[in-house]
Amino acid sequence: AQSVAQPEDQVNVAEGNPLTVKCTYSVSGNPYLFWYVQYPNRGLQFLLKYITGDNLVKGSYGFEAEFNKSQTSFHLKKPSALVSDSALYFCAVRGDSSYKLIFGSGTRLLVRP
Amino acid sequence: EAGVVQSPRYKIIEKKQPVAFWCNPISGHNTLYWYRQNLGQGPELLIRYENEEAVDDSQLPKDRFSAERLKGVDSTLKIQPAELGDSAVYLCASSSPGHAGEQFFGPGTRLTVL
Repeated sequence: AQSVAQPEDQVNVAEGNPLTVKCTYSVSGNPYLFWYVQYPNRGLQFLLKYITGDNLVKGSYGFEAEFNKSQTSFHLKKPSALVSDSALYFCAVRGDSSYKLIFGSGTRLLVRP
Repeated sequence: EAGVVQSPRYKIIEKKQPVAFWCNPISGHNTLYWYRQNLGQGPELLIRYENEEAVDDSQLPKDRFSAERLKGVDSTLKIQPAELGDSAVYLCASSSPGHAGEQFFGPGTRLTVL
């Protein structure tokens, strides 16, 4: 069965510092991995995805994520956090033979000035 | 390009009343999804359409929920009758084959059942 775990309900970081939001997954076959961000009263906004190729994926707004097959992880990172990055972040996965996207429970990122 | 449009944005009803949500996907997107997002959780798939055909409705509570996508464009999700536990945000998303599974989400409809 497919599953996604985001072990941290909230991540706090100071503006200008690097940030990491953790995600681990379980899926049959090759994983398709996604990160989405959700601002208050807004829908989910796509940040980046891993399908195949380079393990380091670059996305919108300076975010990147590293795919680690042995650890079944896909952590979201940013070298220098902005206050405007404060939002709810969701990791999602699907197998390469399935359309069904499974979401994690979300991690709230709080960047303090 | 215009994004996924949903209406209404907010709906408050009393239990046992019917309610309907509407979604207009991105032009040219053949695949349409309805998700439910409970407070503090990630979205969960209710139903997926390929054009006008519901190809995965295994998670749709069919005793009270129904959906349609006439002509393979707009879609409507209905609940009749609503229960207190149906309070959630209902999200619509769409995708096309060329995006390797990337789904584009609408702003959602926040339903409150009193």
